[in-house]
This record gives sequence, structure tokens and C-alpha cells, in this order.
Amino acid sequence: DGGITQSPKYLFRKEGQNVTLSCEQNLNHDAMYWYRQDPGQGLRLIYYSQIVNDFQKGDIAEGYSVSREKKESFPLTVTSAQKNPTAFYLCASSTGTADTQYFGPGTRLTVL
Amino acid sequence: QKEVEQNSGPLSVPEGAIASLNCTYSDRGSQSFFWYRQYSGKSPELIMFIYSNGDKEDGRFTAQLNKASQYVSLLIRDSQPSDSATYLCAVGRYGGATNKLIFGTGTLLAVQP
Repeated sequence: DGGITQSPKYLFRKEGQNVTLSCEQNLNHDAMYWYRQDPGQGLRLIYYSQIVNDFQKGDIAEGYSVSREKKESFPLTVTSAQKNPTAFYLCASSTGTADTQYFGPGTRLTVL
Repeated sequence: QKEVEQNSGPLSVPEGAIASLNCTYSDRGSQSFFWYRQYSGKSPELIMFIYSNGDKEDGRFTAQLNKASQYVSLLIRDSQPSDSATYLCAVGRYGGATNKLIFGTGTLLAVQP
């Protein structure tokens, strides 16, 4: 089955820790994205990548980092510099950056 | 002014009625328009897309696009309680430094049994 997978589904982080969220797609999409969603809020773009080895900051990149070493994978690291990381994190992919985006199931991150 | 605007709701309709969800956008160069549905605690899923002026129907859903007035709407006929969700409008903007898909903040729909 083609699709996007995210892991883990739930993640708990202690203060001062870095954590990495996984996102993998087998749709052969060039573009991948990370969004953050807070309760009752819309999607906010963290980072996006149009091709391998290239990525761009979105609207709220501070405290986050990404890599795109493979077309299929776009991991997101939430660093200790992100002061309020508790949120629902969504990964998406698309053929082009204005095309239909398909979303993974999401990772819910909670800071203890 | 936000690039894509939606009324946050909640929009409450009785079961069996037509739900009408609206979205306006600011960039006249926008060329692709999408509606996503997001259930509470879940990720958004694509309902339909529309590129040309007019109506596009898919089952109980109809997307309507009016580029001159810069709005796109989603009609849900025979609304069911299972349609209760947040509906996100997304607009594809082309040109400039990069092409982008811009999401609205969503409208919460509540279908009352």
C-alpha cells in the first residue's frame, strides 16, 4: 500500500531533551512537509523540502531541525530550544509544492 | 488579511440538511483548490479538489469555485452525524519564489441528529 507513515504515534519528552519524529513515504513524492497543530488551531508550517538534500524554513522553524538525505524520509528533530513543543505534528507529501498534499497519521508530542 | 480565510464556526446543521462551507482567498493567481476533512485527533484527509470555475460533484459533496469573486465553497448534501469534523480549505498558489499550498484554519461542522 502506498502512503505516509509517522512514528511514534505518541511521544513524551522531558524538559531539555531533543527528540526526533520519523516520517516515511512510498508515494514517490518529491516534496515533503512538517506541520504543527495546537488544539483548536489550524496547521502551521515548520519546514518543507522540495527535493533531496534541500529544505526550507516555514513559518515557525525556530527550535526545530530537519534533514532530507533520502527521497522517502524527512525526519523532524524537536530541540530543547523549542520552548513549547507539546502539539500534534503532521507530516505530508506531494508531487509539487502547490499540489495535493497527503498526510501521515501524526505524532502527538507531550512535554513532561 | 489572511491568504485563505474560513469562518471557524461551529456551523451547526440538522441531520439531512445541506451544509455549506465557505472559503475566500486573496491571491488572484491561485489555480488549485482543495477541501480536506479532519476528524478530532486525526490527520486531514482529502475530500476533493477543483481547478476550474463552476461546480464539481462527488457523491454527496459539491465543490464550487468562483475565481472572479475569489471564493470556493463545499456543499454537503444529506448531512450525517459522521460528517461532523473540521473542514480545511487549501489554495495552491503558483509563481513567485516557490509554489505553495496555503491552508485555511478550518470550519468546524456539527451535524445534529
